[in-house]
Amino acid sequence: GNSVTQMEGPVTLSEEAFLTINCTYTATGYPSLFWYVQYPGEGLQLLLKATKADDKGSNKGFEATYRKETTSFHLEKGSVQVSDSAVYFCALSDSGGTSYGKLTFGQGTILTVHP
Amino acid sequence: NAGVTQTPKFQVLKTGQSMTLQCAQDMNHEYMSWYRQDPGMGLRLIHYSVGAGITDQGEVPNGYNVSRSTTEDFPLRLLSAAPSQTSVYFCASSRSGVPSPLHFGNGTRLTVT
Repeated sequence: GNSVTQMEGPVTLSEEAFLTINCTYTATGYPSLFWYVQYPGEGLQLLLKATKADDKGSNKGFEATYRKETTSFHLEKGSVQVSDSAVYFCALSDSGGTSYGKLTFGQGTILTVHP
Repeated sequence: NAGVTQTPKFQVLKTGQSMTLQCAQDMNHEYMSWYRQDPGMGLRLIHYSVGAGITDQGEVPNGYNVSRSTTEDFPLRLLSAAPSQTSVYFCASSRSGVPSPLHFGNGTRLTVT
């Protein structure tokens, strides 16, 4: 079955530091890949997505590239801010129209950014 | 626009009690789903629905029932609560077709004593 593995946290950075959160996956076919962010007390929000190999998703300064050869979708940001403190989830869905709204999530990585 | 609305936000139950977690969406999404979030385990799918009258089990369905009588509503029922069901529950919805992003509610924090 499908699975997603994220780097273990928590991750603590100073403001303006470079961020990488690793994500690797196991899936058959060509899944779509997502990063979601969860701020305290809220539900998850889509941060970015990529639907095919070599696609780069980007949003709010975050980027991730769909690497099929390494089955990875690492999240990066060049300069983090205190407001980026949150929990980040990597996720995948089956390819094509068969996802039915079902995602497989990684365990989440807690990011704390200090001023 | 409201998006996905979950009620209640917090709930405490005693072992053996039953309750229903409510979920409603106003985006006319075909797909709806329930996830539970536990520390270190990410989110796990409980049940999902691809349209009114159609539901199916996810990864962790035991102890939970669902029904979908309308497009908008997708309640989750705990028939006899157990401490292992202490968790944060999220409802989500999305469009059909090519994988679309999920829209999540703000969650229900459930404690079973």
